[in-house]
Formats: sequence, C-alpha cells, structure tokens
Amino acid sequence: KAGVTQTPRYLIKTRGQQVTLSCSPISGHRSVSWYQQTPGQGLQFLFEYFSETQRNKGNFPGRFSGRQFSNSRSEMNVSTLELGDSALYLCASRYDLRTGSEQYFGPGTRLTVT
Amino acid sequence: DQQVKQNSPSLSVQEGRISILNCDYTNSMFDYFLWYKKYPAEGPTFLISISSIKDKNEDGRFTVFLNKSAKHLSLHIVPSQPGDSAVYFCAPYTDKLIFGTGTRLQVFP
Repeated sequence: KAGVTQTPRYLIKTRGQQVTLSCSPISGHRSVSWYQQTPGQGLQFLFEYFSETQRNKGNFPGRFSGRQFSNSRSEMNVSTLELGDSALYLCASRYDLRTGSEQYFGPGTRLTVT
Repeated sequence: DQQVKQNSPSLSVQEGRISILNCDYTNSMFDYFLWYKKYPAEGPTFLISISSIKDKNEDGRFTVFLNKSAKHLSLHIVPSQPGDSAVYFCAPYTDKLIFGTGTRLQVFP
C-alpha cells in the first residue's frame, strides 16, 4: 500500500505571495491532518479534514486554510506569506476519527519564504 | 504555553544499552499518548501508544510507562541499536496530536 505523498517536496516563495501544498492520503483513509514544524515552535497542529469537512483547527491565523476533495486528497493554502511561515509542513492521514486510529505521516513539504 | 515537555533535548547511549526518554505533561485530561520517531527529511513514524487505563505497554524492544499522578511518561528502548538514532516525540492525543519538544537520541557502537 502506498504511503502518504506530499507535493512539492521543496518550495521557495517570496514574502507576500501565496502557496498551495498538496497531500494524497493512504488509499482508504478518509482523514487528513496538517502540521507545521519549525525550530522555535516545534510540531504544531494546523487542521484536520474528514469527509471534506474541517473537523478541527489549531491556533493559526486565517491566512492558513485547507480543503479536502471527495477522493480524500487535501490541499493547504497559505496566503500573504511571511518570513515566519518558513517551515516543514507535514500531512498525516488516518482511516477514521477514533482515538486509536493511527496517523501516518508524509515526508513533508519544506517551504522557504524569502 | 508548552503542554508537553521533553526536558532532555538530546541523549547519547551505547549500542546494546537501555535508552530512556522522558515526557512530562500538564493537562490531567490527557488520556491517550503516542510516541513517534522522526528521521531527518522524513515524516514522524508511529512507535507505540498507551491509554490511561494502563500503566505500561510493550511492543518488542519498546516499552512505554505512564504515571498519571505524576503526569509523566517514559519510553524505554532495550537493547538500543544504531538504527534507533532519531528524534523522538511524545504526543498526547485529545482531538489532535499535541507534540512534545522532542529528544534527539544517538546510539553509538
């Protein structure tokens, strides 16, 4: 079974631009979560989608948004990029929303904002 | 505020010995905990979990201990192997994973 895939793997953008990251979950998984990893703040939860609906959201500004499609693939968008948005963005998928439903992570997208 | 702390940023252990990674949390409502391992340029990989109804869970070389009264978890790896060298994250689960600060484990021959 193929794992979680994220595209692109690396991205360089300029301050003020916007960016869209993509995540394809493991086949059969209906939940996709997004996390941001930075040296200063560590790994932080952004949001989770299940069956095309946002189920939970972390403490991030409205510039960070996402969506999920009917095939469970998800995209994350960041508008008006700031230097502090430079981070590794990780996507994770799981089968459902039960507590014990294990999350499988993709390799991440490394975003650099200059 | 940091709800999950792993006070040792790094740990160095000889191959074959025991590695003990610690994690402290502040929220007494946490009742399900996971440990993840992360290699550079890869996403975190699930290692082992524990529910608050237990105080110990074992999976091969990995054992997690939970002390709810002390709000403390520990991950034991026995015996440690060079391939275990990675960053380890403790992560309580509520309706989302809340990752700790991580501990970098280095296992040397």
